[in-house]
Amino acid sequence: GAVVSQHPSRVICKSGTSVKIECRSLDFQATTMFWYRQFPKKSLMLMATSNEGSKATYEQGVEKDKFLINHASLTLSTLTVTSAHPEDSSFYICSAKYVQYPYEQYFGPGTRLTVT
Amino acid sequence: DQQVKQNSPSLSVQEGRISILNCDYTNSMFDYFLWYKKYPAEGPTFLISISSIKDKNEDGRFTVFLNKSAKHLSLHIVPSQPGDSAVYFCAASAGAAGNKLTFGGGTRVLVKP
Repeated sequence: GAVVSQHPSRVICKSGTSVKIECRSLDFQATTMFWYRQFPKKSLMLMATSNEGSKATYEQGVEKDKFLINHASLTLSTLTVTSAHPEDSSFYICSAKYVQYPYEQYFGPGTRLTVT
Repeated sequence: DQQVKQNSPSLSVQEGRISILNCDYTNSMFDYFLWYKKYPAEGPTFLISISSIKDKNEDGRFTVFLNKSAKHLSLHIVPSQPGDSAVYFCAASAGAAGNKLTFGGGTRVLVKP
């Protein structure tokens, strides 16, 4: 149980274009989903917290107009990187948690974004 | 200010021996702690957790110890296996803060056969 998927696993896009990453909880309903970014050999940096049906809460320093988050259902959250630039190249990971286990977060496999 | 620290960036251990990973925190509001294992280019996998009302939790080869007064926790893996080679992250949560996780910097474990 508690499986989280992400799509795509890898994406290469040109500078100035937008990219959408999907995060799905496959066997449970996720009350909250989180989006992280990981730089090479660094820890996970929380970007935003997403609750179904409401606006995402962004961490300090994260541009909400650049990283658009939509949590339209209890099983799907999307992160759209708008007008991507090479410095947005990174490993993006989502996680989800559900009511029965309010503390544990279950992570997706991650998406490697490369902006050329 | 890093609220969760893993001061050892790497650890090498012989197969069959014990691996001990350490984690320190500064925020006294943290009341739940978790350990995750991560392979390159994959998402973290939940290993084990502990509530602040306990000082030990055991699950198979994994045991987590919590010393609240020292704001310190550790993960023991025994016996260590080559498949345990990965990066291990300590994470902490303050229940009232929306259960966001604050991660440590990670410790890379290499288990030698």
